[in-house]
Formats: sequence, structure tokens, C-alpha cells
Amino acid sequence: QKEVEQDPGPLSVPEGAIVSLNCTYSNSAFQYFMWYRQYSRKGPELLMYTYSSGNKEDGRFTAQVDKSSKYISLFIRDSQPSDSATYLCATKTSYDKVIFGPGTSLSVIP
Amino acid sequence: DGGITQSPKYLFRKEGQNVTLSCEQNLNHDAMYWYRQDPGQGLRLIYYSQIVNDFQKGDIAEGYSVSREKKESFPLTVTSAQKNPTAFYLCASSRDRGDEKLFFGSGTQLSVL
Repeated sequence: QKEVEQDPGPLSVPEGAIVSLNCTYSNSAFQYFMWYRQYSRKGPELLMYTYSSGNKEDGRFTAQVDKSSKYISLFIRDSQPSDSATYLCATKTSYDKVIFGPGTSLSVIP
Repeated sequence: DGGITQSPKYLFRKEGQNVTLSCEQNLNHDAMYWYRQDPGQGLRLIYYSQIVNDFQKGDIAEGYSVSREKKESFPLTVTSAQKNPTAFYLCASSRDRGDEKLFFGSGTQLSVL
């Protein structure tokens, strides 16, 4: 079993839709949870960061962590064509390396 | 502007050739990393360095070598021993090894001629 699993998509939605991106992980020791956005042929950029369980909101983006079910989610409200990218979830313990999921490719159609 | 600069953007390797990918950062970060990205796969860690003159193997270090002679620079050499080098290579840095926030360069696409 991979440490972090993510549906690769591709996911295609109309502009304005609410997007839900999800990951599951296997190691209950993971404490830090991140979402990176990667545009085609570019480096990933940190989009959201959460420590332990709970929700975090930043503009149109909400990150949610449920440690009891080992489930990570990213919600995008009022999606825009500029949100078209690959979204990588990532996690780590307090002492080990960052583990990345394979990424979900998202297309927002005007 | 602070950031990470990778060069070249595209690189071609001939059979039996070693090639070196450049990575420079001006963020004053202690830790630097090299990742390999293949289609449909997550980022895989090749090497990382916590301080100058020190580096550690990641998950897929075979066929690669690195050096860390300066804090700002962490070049990656893809040797002829790496039989499947075609991939997108990403350099990253963080404030220190324990920091979960990684900053990435724009990547180098390496292809085999």
C-alpha cells in the first residue's frame, strides 16, 4: 500500500463549480498536511498547509483533514479556468521527509 | 526576488554521458532537495542536504550524485549508470530539514537522445 494515495483524474468541471480533491494516507504518525498546485511543466507551489486535524480556509480554497479516517480534502469554490493544474497532496511526520501523492489533474472549462 | 533557479529548462543526454543539472537558491535556506517526477507518479526523493558539505541519499539515489559546496547551490549529476533518466527533475529548498514547507524551482526536463 502506498503511503499517500490520490485519484489521478483527470477531473473536468465547468467554471463556477465546487471542486473536491481527496487523498488518503496510511501512516497515523503524519501530522503535517499540505496541498501543492503544479501548473504544466512548472514546479509545485504550496497552496495550503494544515497541522493535525481540522479545517483551514484561504479565499476560495478550504483544506480539511480527518485524522480518524486518514482522509485529506481540498475544496475549491467558484472554480476558475486559472485553477486548471495538477494538485498534489503531501504529508509528513515531525521528523521525517515529505511524502507526496501522485497528483490529480484538474481542468476547469470556461 | 527570492527563489530557486534551475537550469537548463531542457536537457538532452547521449548514451554513456554524464549531465549536470543546476540548482541555486537565494532564500538562505539550509535544506535542499532533488526530486524526480514521472507521469502519473508522485515526486520521488533522489538526494537531500541539510547543511553545506553534507548530503543524504533519498529513495532513488542510484545513478545520481550531488555536491553541496555552497549553501546556495546543490547541483545534481545524472550519471551513465542511470539507465532510465528521462524525467522532470525538481529542486526544492526549505528553511531546515524539519520544515514541511518546500519551495520548488521550475524544473528541468531531461530526455535521452
